[in-house]
Amino acid sequence: DAKTTQPNSMESNEEEPVHLPCNHSTISGTDYIHWYRQLPSQGPEYVIHGLTSNVNNRMASLAIAEDRKSSTLILHRATLRDAAVYYCILRFTGNQFYFGTGTSLTVIP
Amino acid sequence: NAGVTQTPKFQVLKTGQSMTLQCAQDMNHEYMSWYRQDPGMGLRLIHYSVGAGITDQGEVPNGYNVSRSTTEDFPLRLLSAAPSQTSVYFCASSYPNSPYNEQFFGPGTRLTVL
Repeated sequence: DAKTTQPNSMESNEEEPVHLPCNHSTISGTDYIHWYRQLPSQGPEYVIHGLTSNVNNRMASLAIAEDRKSSTLILHRATLRDAAVYYCILRFTGNQFYFGTGTSLTVIP
Repeated sequence: NAGVTQTPKFQVLKTGQSMTLQCAQDMNHEYMSWYRQDPGMGLRLIHYSVGAGITDQGEVPNGYNVSRSTTEDFPLRLLSAAPSQTSVYFCASSYPNSPYNEQFFGPGTRLTVL
């Protein structure tokens, strides 16, 4: 099973950009890279996903390395509401998500 | 749309008791799943279903049963609760089997087994 590796925790100042890294060296050609986040005492929520090209949406950007062995979630201006655990997940066919322990993001006012 | 709803929000059981955690979605999603999250850990897949009448095991299925009689509902049954099943349980749903469909998660059920 393809797994991901993320730092346990990161800090960012409010209104500054945040780059959350993820390594997935065993990724296969058909695995999509998904990011979810979990706010305190809530269920996870979708942030963004991609396959090969960089992706942008209203929440974040996803930068994918050319060899696809790593990716970076970019929050352009961190707010206090972005304090959460961020999970980088490889999604296979069969609808099975494998969550790691994620990165706990602290936003400093 | 209510999205994914879970009941109850909190539950305390004694060892050996049984109970059913309820999950419902109103988005006509074919795929539904149950996860558990232990303190400081990520989510682990218990069981999932790709449609009514079809279920399969995930990473940690022991001690849990599921059935899927309708598209909307996917209950999780604990047969004989054990302290090791103390956890937060999340239900999720999405459109059919596709590697790029986002999953929608419920708010969770916090279960304590004494």
